[in-house]
Amino acid sequence: DVKVTQSSRYLVKRTGEKVFLECVQDMDHENMFWYRQDPGLGLRLIYFSYDVKMKEKGDIPEGYSVSREKKERFSLILESASTNQTSMYLCASSFDPNMNTEAFFGQGTRLTVV
Amino acid sequence: EDKVVQSPLSLVVHEGDTVTLNCSYEVTNFRSLLWYKQEKKAPTFLFMLTSSGIEKKSGRLSSILDKKELFSILNITATQTGDSAVYLCAVATNSGYALNFGKGTSLLVTP
Repeated sequence: DVKVTQSSRYLVKRTGEKVFLECVQDMDHENMFWYRQDPGLGLRLIYFSYDVKMKEKGDIPEGYSVSREKKERFSLILESASTNQTSMYLCASSFDPNMNTEAFFGQGTRLTVV
Repeated sequence: EDKVVQSPLSLVVHEGDTVTLNCSYEVTNFRSLLWYKQEKKAPTFLFMLTSSGIEKKSGRLSSILDKKELFSILNITATQTGDSAVYLCAVATNSGYALNFGKGTSLLVTP
């Protein structure tokens, strides 16, 4: 069974803290993505990576960075958490786009910044 | 700018009803359209559509794509309370790696 695992289901952090969200996939996928999901706004792409050490900005990268040191792991970093980063964060992975397969999602991390 | 629009945004029906969810898109270099179901956790994959007019079916769910009119519908017949979820439509293009998502349709099926 394919698996995308996010390290935490729920997190509460203080404003100004540095926050790490971890995502691991066991499907040997090339591509990995971080989305945030907010009511009324849907899923918005923060960053993605198409290979180890490669990263590309998505639609809303401000206030975030990412790291992909190993193929199976993609980390999202909030350098200095702010209350407007309270959201549901979803990690996803997929094969190379030329294979035209679906993306698989992790269970999500609900982050609250107080 | 690529755009994916879902309608309605929310819907309440009674068990046994049939529902139709809509997804229209305006993207460059269309590759495929995908439907996901999201209960209170990870979105789970339902269908991928790449060709016009070919219906994909899984149990009481079915979906079809119209590449000329740039839309897709997801049908659910004989709805059950377990169908209550947010249904997400996403489009993949040949010019990018990531999926472009609509805002979702929140479906509530009441007993």
